[in-house]
Amino acid sequence: NAGVMQNPRHLVRRRGQEARLRCSPMKGHSHVYWYRQLPEEGLKFMVYLQKENIIDESGMPKERFSAEFPKEGPSILRIQQVVRGDSAAYFCASSPYVQGAKNIQYFGAGTRLSVL
Amino acid sequence: GENVEQHPSTLSVQEGDSAVIKCTYSDSASNYFPWYKQELGKGPQLIIDIRSNVGEKKDQRIAVTLNKTAKHFSLHITETQPEDSAVYFCAASPTGTASKLTFGTGTRLQVTL
Repeated sequence: NAGVMQNPRHLVRRRGQEARLRCSPMKGHSHVYWYRQLPEEGLKFMVYLQKENIIDESGMPKERFSAEFPKEGPSILRIQQVVRGDSAAYFCASSPYVQGAKNIQYFGAGTRLSVL
Repeated sequence: GENVEQHPSTLSVQEGDSAVIKCTYSDSASNYFPWYKQELGKGPQLIIDIRSNVGEKKDQRIAVTLNKTAKHFSLHITETQPEDSAVYFCAASPTGTASKLTFGTGTRLQVTL
């Protein structure tokens, strides 16, 4: 059973370009979360999605950032017109949904975005 | 919203000694508290977790304690080994089902020979 798969592992973009980060959850998991980690800091929640629905986007910047989790295919975190401050590691986590169960989130290896 | 504080930020212990990392949280509605280990260049890996209806949980050399009244929870690693060296994060979740995690700022543990 493959874990959470993220690609690319490393992404280099110039200021003003677009960055697309992909996340395939673990098999059988219907919930996806995106977190951002700045150097030497903890993980900050960005967005929580289920298939075709955004459940909680309270951690997403209001502009340039968007996320989706389509019925088919991976979840995508999209950053338009990147700026140097977007340089960070972006982690995706997935969890199954079981009524009343604790929220175990399994993390991918992350995408390290560098903006030149 | 939830706020999680974690101490210390760095911890150095000799191999074989114990290590303790402490976290406090602010939201009394939080009832799920996982601990993650992150090695350099990798994603966080869940090592142990606890729910608010349990005061202590142990898994081999790792244990977690929870004091819900004081809103404290702690990670205890006994008989530390060099491979325990990593960054450890505590987290809290406000509900029992799918919900976002609020992380502490991390503790860099160094186990020296």
